[in-house]
Amino acid sequence: AQKITQTQPGMFVQEKEAVTLDCTYDTSDPSYGLFWYKQPSSGEMIFLIYQGSYDQQNATEGRYSLNFQKARKSANLVISASQLGDSAMYFCAMREEAGGNEKLTFGTGTRLTIIP
Amino acid sequence: DAGVIQSPRHEVTEMGQEVTLRCKPISGHDYLFWYRQTMMRGLELLIYFNNNVPIDDSGMPEDRFSAKMPNASFSTLKIQPSEPRDSAVYFCASSPTLIHQPQHFGDGTRLSIL
Repeated sequence: AQKITQTQPGMFVQEKEAVTLDCTYDTSDPSYGLFWYKQPSSGEMIFLIYQGSYDQQNATEGRYSLNFQKARKSANLVISASQLGDSAMYFCAMREEAGGNEKLTFGTGTRLTIIP
Repeated sequence: DAGVIQSPRHEVTEMGQEVTLRCKPISGHDYLFWYRQTMMRGLELLIYFNNNVPIDDSGMPEDRFSAKMPNASFSTLKIQPSEPRDSAVYFCASSPTLIHQPQHFGDGTRLSIL
C-alpha cells in the first residue's frame, strides 16, 4: 500500500486564486510528521511547512497552510493568493519512527502551474 | 548559515566509470540522507545515516552503489561501475535528531551516464 498518496498529477490555477493540493497518508505509528516540499524547475527541494501528529492546530507559514485532518489521514497544502512563482512540483512526505528506525516516504508529487 | 553542500553539480561520464558524489551536511545535523530522483521512479531514499552510522540501506539498488560517512561533516555516494540507468539527480539531505524536524536538501547532483 502507498504510504503517501497525491492524487493530482497536475493542476492549473489562475493567478491570485487559492489552491489546495491533496495528500493522504497511511501509518499505524502514533508519532509522525508530515512535510510539504516545493521543487521549482531549477531542481532544488525547498521545505515549506510541517505538521506533527500531535499538533492540535493546523500549521501555517505565510501563504501556506496545512489542512490536517487526522481521522481522515489527510494533510492537504493550501496556498492562498497564488503567484506565478508558485508554479512548481509539490511533494508531500511523511516521517515515521517505525519502531526505532526512521522512515521517510515521499509522494509522487503534484505539478502546479499558475496561469496569469 | 551554509546549507547542505553537494558536489559536483553536474557529472557526465561514460558507462563503466566510477562516480563519486559528495555531500557536506549542515553542521549539527545528526541525520544524513541520500536520495535519487528520476522521472520514472520519483524520489527514492537510498540510504540514511545517524551519527555517521548507516541505519537503513534497503533503498540502495545494487552492490554497485555504496555510501560512506567517515565523519560528521562529509559523506560520499559511489557508483562503480556506472551504467546508463544510473542517470538521475542525486540529492543529499540532512536533519537534526528529532523526528519532527524537516530535512534540508542540497541542490543535487545531475548525473548522466553515457
